[in-house]
Amino acid sequence: GENVEQHPSTLSVQEGDSAVIKCTYSDSASNYFPWYKQELGKGPQLIIDIRSNVGEKKDQRIAVTLNKTAKHFSLHITETQPEDSAVYFCAALSGGGGSQGNLIFGKGTKLSVKP
Amino acid sequence: DGGITQSPKYLFRKEGQNVTLSCEQNLNHDAMYWYRQDPGQGLRLIYYSQIVNDFQKGDIAEGYSVSREKKESFPLTVTSAQKNPTAFYLCASSIDNWGALGGRAPMKQFFGPGTRLTVL
Repeated sequence: GENVEQHPSTLSVQEGDSAVIKCTYSDSASNYFPWYKQELGKGPQLIIDIRSNVGEKKDQRIAVTLNKTAKHFSLHITETQPEDSAVYFCAALSGGGGSQGNLIFGKGTKLSVKP
Repeated sequence: DGGITQSPKYLFRKEGQNVTLSCEQNLNHDAMYWYRQDPGQGLRLIYYSQIVNDFQKGDIAEGYSVSREKKESFPLTVTSAQKNPTAFYLCASSIDNWGALGGRAPMKQFFGPGTRLTVL
């Protein structure tokens, strides 16, 4: 089945700097890759997603890139602000098999933006 | 105000007791999901339902049960058979869609605020 690895597990940046979080996946049939932001004690919030027929997608300060050949995708946050501090999760929609095409999540990255 | 609601926010259970977590959505979504989240780990799928009166086991279904009698509701019961039930439980929903060739079209999943269950 699908396996998603996420790095780093913690990331600390200065306000205004960029942050990059990387994920790799194992199932070459995976075709959808969302990113979620989770604040303490709350449910994850979908912030951006990308489908396998697209290499890059941007929404204001956040962008996601996908390299299907290497089976990895990344989240880029530019001009970071303190309110960006949260745990970020990547996920991949498995192509099928035992999980019937469900989202498989990475273990999360705790991002801290220092003022 | 559309969305997904979960109740209660905090739940305490004595060992050996069953407990039911509520999840309701008014988004008219077909599919609903239950995930478990433990510290330092990603979300793990417990059960999911693509349509009323049907549900499937996820990766960690043992010790849990669900029902889907109504489109908007997907309650999760944590039974006494679940050996380590203390965790943060998240419900999600999505518009499910199956393509003409039987493949699954990816649809966005939206999460509720979660229920923190603690076994005393």
